[in-house]
Amino acid sequence: AQSVTQLGSHVSVSEGALVLLRCNYSSSVPPYLFWYVQYPNQGLQLLLKYTSAATLVKGINGFEAEFKKSETSFHLTKPSAHMSDAAEYFCAVSQPGTYKYIFGTGTRLKVLA
Amino acid sequence: EAGVTQFPSHSVIEKGQTVTLRCDPISGHDNLYWYRRVMGKEIKFLLHFVKESKQDESGMPNNRFLAERTGGTYSTLKVQPAELEDSGVYFCASSQGPARNTEAFFGQGTRLTVV
Repeated sequence: AQSVTQLGSHVSVSEGALVLLRCNYSSSVPPYLFWYVQYPNQGLQLLLKYTSAATLVKGINGFEAEFKKSETSFHLTKPSAHMSDAAEYFCAVSQPGTYKYIFGTGTRLKVLA
Repeated sequence: EAGVTQFPSHSVIEKGQTVTLRCDPISGHDNLYWYRRVMGKEIKFLLHFVKESKQDESGMPNNRFLAERTGGTYSTLKVQPAELEDSGVYFCASSQGPARNTEAFFGQGTRLTVV
């Protein structure tokens, strides 16, 4: 069975510091992986996705994630945090042949001035 | 272009009552999904429509939940009778193609509180 683990339900970083949000997945076949973000009072918005092309995926707002098969990880990073990055971030996996996402529990990012 | 619209945004009902949530997907999106997030837990898949047909309803918790998609357009999710454990945020999403290949666009969610 597929699963997604997000380490850290709350992460705080200073403005300008590196953002690192962790995601590990479990899948018996090569997965498709996604990061979504939910800003306050908004729906989930796709940040980026990995669908078996390049292992380093660049997304919107300066975020990127690297697919590491050996570590079964898909961590999300951003070199320099902005106050506007404060939101909740969700990692999700979707296996080929299925239509649904399996989400992690989410990580709420707080950016300190 | 309008995104995925859900209403109401919030609903507070008493245990035993009935509630109907509505989702209007992006025009032209054949695929429509319902998800639910119980407080502090992960967002869980409920079901998937392709046009008006239920493709996968493996995530529906029990027979108190009924989803419909009239004419392949908007969808409703009815909970009858509601129980305390049904509280959570219900998200609707739509996509042109299967989620694995294309982006799923999510609505803002409906926060349901059963008291």
